[in-house]
Amino acid sequence: ELKVEQNPLFLSMQEGKNYTIYCNYSTTSDRLYWYRQDPGKSLESLFVLLSNGAVKQEGRLMASLDTKARLSTLHITAAVHDLSATYFCAVSWGGATNKLIFGTGTLLAVQP
Amino acid sequence: DTEVTQTPKHLVMGMTNKKSLKCEQHMGHRAMYWYKQKAKKPPELMFVYSYEKLSINESVPSRFSPECPNSSLLNLHLHALQPEDSALYLCASSYGTANNEQFFGPGTRLTVL
Repeated sequence: ELKVEQNPLFLSMQEGKNYTIYCNYSTTSDRLYWYRQDPGKSLESLFVLLSNGAVKQEGRLMASLDTKARLSTLHITAAVHDLSATYFCAVSWGGATNKLIFGTGTLLAVQP
Repeated sequence: DTEVTQTPKHLVMGMTNKKSLKCEQHMGHRAMYWYKQKAKKPPELMFVYSYEKLSINESVPSRFSPECPNSSLLNLHLHALQPEDSALYLCASSYGTANNEQFFGPGTRLTVL
Protein backbone atom coordinates (compact mmCIF):
# COMPACT_ATOMS: atom_id res chain seq x y z
CA GLU A 1 0.00 0.00 0.00
CA LEU A 2 1.10 3.55 -0.71
CA LYS A 3 2.72 5.40 2.16
CA VAL A 4 3.36 9.13 2.15
CA GLU A 5 5.80 10.70 4.57
CA GLN A 6 6.49 14.36 5.21
CA ASN A 7 9.27 15.99 7.09
CA PRO A 8 9.67 17.86 9.18
CA LEU A 9 6.47 17.48 11.17
CA PHE A 10 6.96 20.89 12.71
CA LEU A 11 8.91 23.84 11.38
CA SER A 12 9.53 27.01 13.32
CA MET A 13 10.57 29.62 10.81
CA GLN A 14 12.03 33.06 11.14
CA GLU A 15 10.59 35.76 8.96
CA GLY A 16 12.65 36.41 5.88
CA LYS A 17 14.40 33.04 5.80
CA ASN A 18 14.02 30.14 3.35
CA TYR A 19 12.82 26.65 4.20
CA THR A 20 11.88 23.37 2.50
CA ILE A 21 9.33 20.68 3.30
CA TYR A 22 9.88 17.21 1.90
CA CYS A 23 7.28 14.68 0.81
CA ASN A 24 8.32 11.10 0.05
CA TYR A 25 5.98 8.41 -1.24
CA SER A 26 6.48 4.69 -1.56
CA THR A 27 4.98 3.64 -4.91
CA THR A 28 4.44 5.06 -8.37
CA SER A 29 1.75 7.69 -8.63
CA ASP A 30 0.36 9.85 -11.40
CA ARG A 31 0.03 13.11 -9.54
CA LEU A 32 0.83 14.88 -6.33
CA TYR A 33 -0.99 17.67 -4.56
CA TRP A 34 -0.04 20.24 -1.96
CA TYR A 35 -2.70 21.65 0.36
CA ARG A 36 -2.75 24.28 3.06
CA GLN A 37 -4.96 24.03 6.11
CA ASP A 38 -5.54 26.80 8.63
CA PRO A 39 -6.68 25.79 12.14
CA GLY A 40 -10.27 24.55 12.14
CA LYS A 41 -10.61 25.14 8.40
CA SER A 42 -10.79 23.02 5.29
CA LEU A 43 -8.08 22.23 2.79
CA GLU A 44 -6.98 24.87 0.32
CA SER A 45 -5.42 23.54 -2.86
CA LEU A 46 -1.99 25.03 -3.54
CA PHE A 47 -0.43 22.98 -6.33
CA VAL A 48 -1.10 20.02 -8.59
CA LEU A 49 2.04 18.36 -9.95
CA LEU A 50 1.47 16.05 -12.86
CA SER A 51 4.78 14.91 -14.24
CA ASN A 52 8.42 14.34 -13.49
CA GLY A 53 10.30 17.59 -13.22
CA ALA A 54 7.15 19.66 -12.76
CA VAL A 55 7.73 22.93 -10.95
CA LYS A 56 5.03 25.37 -9.93
CA GLN A 57 5.31 28.65 -8.11
CA GLU A 58 2.79 30.91 -6.41
CA GLY A 59 4.06 33.86 -4.44
CA ARG A 60 6.61 32.69 -1.86
CA LEU A 61 5.83 29.00 -2.40
CA MET A 62 7.39 26.75 -5.00
CA ALA A 63 6.65 23.05 -5.42
CA SER A 64 8.56 20.49 -7.45
CA LEU A 65 8.20 16.82 -8.27
CA ASP A 66 10.78 14.11 -8.93
CA THR A 67 8.85 10.96 -9.78
CA LYS A 68 11.98 8.84 -10.09
CA ALA A 69 13.00 9.67 -6.53
CA ARG A 70 9.33 9.67 -5.45
CA LEU A 71 9.95 13.02 -3.84
CA SER A 72 8.23 16.36 -3.85
CA THR A 73 9.46 19.51 -2.17
CA LEU A 74 7.67 22.66 -1.10
CA HIS A 75 10.09 25.54 -0.87
CA ILE A 76 9.27 28.66 1.10
CA THR A 77 11.12 31.84 0.18
CA ALA A 78 11.46 34.68 2.70
CA ALA A 79 8.85 33.37 5.12
CA VAL A 80 6.17 35.72 6.37
CA HIS A 81 3.68 35.28 9.21
CA ASP A 82 0.77 34.75 6.79
CA LEU A 83 2.29 31.43 5.80
CA SER A 84 1.75 29.92 9.25
CA ALA A 85 -0.51 26.89 8.72
CA THR A 86 -0.36 23.11 8.31
CA TYR A 87 0.76 21.92 4.88
CA PHE A 88 -0.13 18.49 3.50
CA CYS A 89 1.09 16.70 0.47
CA ALA A 90 -1.23 14.08 -1.00
CA VAL A 91 -0.61 11.45 -3.61
CA SER A 92 -3.22 10.11 -5.99
CA TRP A 93 -3.21 6.34 -5.89
CA GLY A 94 -5.34 3.65 -7.42
CA GLY A 95 -5.92 5.18 -10.84
CA ALA A 96 -9.63 5.06 -11.47
CA THR A 97 -10.50 5.14 -7.80
CA ASN A 98 -8.77 8.53 -7.35
CA LYS A 99 -7.87 7.67 -3.79
CA LEU A 100 -5.86 10.41 -2.12
CA ILE A 101 -3.27 9.37 0.44
CA PHE A 102 -2.17 12.28 2.59
CA GLY A 103 1.17 12.85 4.17
CA THR A 104 1.46 13.40 7.90
CA GLY A 105 1.38 17.17 7.53
CA THR A 106 3.89 19.86 8.44
CA LEU A 107 2.94 22.57 10.89
CA LEU A 108 4.65 25.80 9.98
CA ALA A 109 4.96 28.57 12.53
CA VAL A 110 6.59 31.78 11.40
CA GLN A 111 8.15 33.76 14.22
CA PRO A 112 8.70 37.50 13.87
CA ASP B 1 -20.90 27.87 -8.87
CA THR B 2 -17.40 26.61 -8.17
CA GLU B 3 -17.58 25.43 -4.62
CA VAL B 4 -18.52 22.53 -2.42
CA THR B 5 -20.87 23.41 0.43
CA GLN B 6 -21.43 21.48 3.63
CA THR B 7 -24.06 21.76 6.34
CA PRO B 8 -24.12 22.07 9.22
CA LYS B 9 -20.82 23.75 10.08
CA HIS B 10 -20.95 22.40 13.61
CA LEU B 11 -22.88 19.50 15.09
CA VAL B 12 -23.07 18.25 18.65
CA MET B 13 -24.88 14.97 19.19
CA GLY B 14 -25.38 12.34 21.82
CA MET B 15 -24.51 8.71 21.33
CA THR B 16 -28.15 7.75 20.84
CA ASN B 17 -28.98 10.47 18.33
CA LYS B 18 -29.45 10.16 14.60
CA LYS B 19 -28.20 13.02 12.50
CA SER B 20 -27.09 13.67 8.93
CA LEU B 21 -24.35 15.68 7.27
CA LYS B 22 -25.02 17.20 3.89
CA CYS B 23 -22.70 18.06 1.02
CA GLU B 24 -23.62 19.76 -2.23
CA GLN B 25 -21.82 20.78 -5.41
CA HIS B 26 -23.06 22.28 -8.65
CA MET B 27 -19.91 21.94 -10.71
CA GLY B 28 -21.14 18.95 -12.68
CA HIS B 29 -18.73 16.68 -10.85
CA ARG B 30 -19.59 12.98 -10.95
CA ALA B 31 -17.43 11.80 -8.06
CA MET B 32 -17.92 12.73 -4.42
CA TYR B 33 -15.98 11.77 -1.31
CA TRP B 34 -16.23 11.75 2.48
CA TYR B 35 -13.10 12.18 4.59
CA LYS B 36 -12.64 12.14 8.35
CA GLN B 37 -9.96 14.25 9.97
CA LYS B 38 -8.99 13.97 13.61
CA ALA B 39 -7.15 16.80 15.31
CA LYS B 40 -3.54 17.19 14.19
CA LYS B 41 -3.89 14.29 11.73
CA PRO B 42 -4.25 14.12 7.96
CA PRO B 43 -7.64 13.48 6.36
CA GLU B 44 -8.57 9.83 5.90
CA LEU B 45 -10.82 8.64 3.11
CA MET B 46 -14.10 7.07 4.20
CA PHE B 47 -16.25 6.69 1.07
CA VAL B 48 -16.14 7.40 -2.65
CA TYR B 49 -19.19 7.73 -4.89
CA SER B 50 -18.79 7.61 -8.62
CA TYR B 51 -21.80 8.37 -10.81
CA GLU B 52 -24.00 8.06 -7.73
CA LYS B 53 -22.79 4.57 -6.94
CA LEU B 54 -20.63 3.67 -3.94
CA SER B 55 -17.25 2.64 -5.30
CA ILE B 56 -15.07 2.67 -2.19
CA ASN B 57 -15.89 1.99 1.46
CA GLU B 58 -12.72 2.10 3.51
CA SER B 59 -14.00 -0.40 6.08
CA VAL B 60 -16.00 2.30 7.81
CA PRO B 61 -18.22 1.17 10.72
CA SER B 62 -21.89 0.79 9.83
CA ARG B 63 -22.86 3.60 12.21
CA PHE B 64 -21.78 5.81 9.28
CA SER B 65 -24.11 5.41 6.32
CA PRO B 66 -23.49 7.36 3.11
CA GLU B 67 -26.12 8.22 0.57
CA CYS B 68 -25.92 9.87 -2.83
CA PRO B 69 -29.48 10.85 -3.87
CA ASN B 70 -28.30 12.58 -7.06
CA SER B 71 -25.13 13.73 -8.74
CA SER B 72 -25.02 17.01 -6.81
CA LEU B 73 -25.77 15.81 -3.31
CA LEU B 74 -24.00 13.56 -0.83
CA ASN B 75 -25.23 12.75 2.64
CA LEU B 76 -23.64 11.02 5.59
CA HIS B 77 -26.14 9.55 8.03
CA LEU B 78 -24.92 9.13 11.58
CA HIS B 79 -26.37 6.80 14.19
CA ALA B 80 -25.12 5.52 17.54
CA LEU B 81 -21.80 7.27 17.25
CA GLN B 82 -19.03 7.07 19.80
CA PRO B 83 -17.07 9.97 21.34
CA GLU B 84 -14.03 8.86 19.32
CA ASP B 85 -16.00 9.70 16.16
CA SER B 86 -15.66 13.38 17.01
CA ALA B 87 -13.73 14.93 14.13
CA LEU B 88 -13.88 17.27 11.17
CA TYR B 89 -15.80 15.63 8.33
CA LEU B 90 -14.78 16.86 4.91
CA CYS B 91 -16.63 16.38 1.67
CA ALA B 92 -14.90 16.65 -1.69
CA SER B 93 -15.87 16.33 -5.32
CA SER B 94 -14.05 15.79 -8.61
CA TYR B 95 -15.00 15.74 -12.26
CA GLY B 96 -14.41 12.00 -12.44
CA THR B 97 -12.41 9.45 -10.54
CA ALA B 98 -9.55 8.99 -12.99
CA ASN B 99 -6.91 11.09 -11.29
CA ASN B 100 -9.06 14.19 -11.19
CA GLU B 101 -8.35 16.97 -8.72
CA GLN B 102 -10.60 16.93 -5.68
CA PHE B 103 -12.18 20.11 -4.38
CA PHE B 104 -12.93 20.21 -0.67
CA GLY B 105 -15.85 21.71 1.21
CA PRO B 106 -15.46 23.70 4.43
CA GLY B 107 -16.20 20.68 6.62
CA THR B 108 -18.53 19.85 9.49
CA ARG B 109 -17.06 19.85 12.99
CA LEU B 110 -18.75 16.95 14.78
CA THR B 111 -18.70 16.48 18.54
CA VAL B 112 -20.18 13.30 20.04
CA LEU B 113 -20.98 13.51 23.73
